[in-house]
Amino acid sequence: DQQVKQNSPSLSVQEGRISILNCDYTNSMFDYFLWYKKYPAEGPTFLISISSIKDKNEDGRFTVFLNKSAKHLSLHIVPSQPGDSAVYFCAASANEGAQKLVFGQGTRLTINP
Amino acid sequence: DAGITQSPRHKVTETGTPVTLRCHQTENHRYMYWYRQDPGHGLRLIHYSYGVKDTDKGEVSDGYSVSRSKTEDFLLTLESATSSQTSVYFCASGSVGYTFGSGTRLTVV
Repeated sequence: DQQVKQNSPSLSVQEGRISILNCDYTNSMFDYFLWYKKYPAEGPTFLISISSIKDKNEDGRFTVFLNKSAKHLSLHIVPSQPGDSAVYFCAASANEGAQKLVFGQGTRLTINP
Repeated sequence: DAGITQSPRHKVTETGTPVTLRCHQTENHRYMYWYRQDPGHGLRLIHYSYGVKDTDKGEVSDGYSVSRSKTEDFLLTLESATSSQTSVYFCASGSVGYTFGSGTRLTVV
């Protein structure tokens, strides 16, 4: 059973517009959520995170929103840039010391000029 | 930055042979992790370590073993490789928002 789900395998957005990537989770014990970005032939790189005590966290062009009642989080990128084209993974942790992450399947974001 | 490195980057091996993948970090991180990435599954945790000689199983640990004799090194061993273990393997170290290595692409034929 997939505890973290990204239901959109791909997303295409015009440069300068907003990109919205979605993620759903089922485990109510998760209390920390992260987004990673991955380019081909590279490892994932940490982008932004949010604790379950917050509903929004912002870092420059990136904002993560958390809706605990719906068990849903989203990543907003605005404005989108060509360099944002990558695969984005959401991940969740129950914060049991070592941060054992449970990842979604990933969404491939393509920014069109 | 070369805070975490994996070797080899690519490997092709035959079914039934043992394989060891290496991860080396220079950040003095206590926690280290091994994940595998497969289409449709994202990344899945194989094993993790919370200190020298302290390791535990992750979500998909069957067929894998690990060892950590020094803080900086974390080894992943496939005792007898199978075709289902063809994957891209990523090592990571740290705690919140940890850093991943560049990956090892393993093909078992």
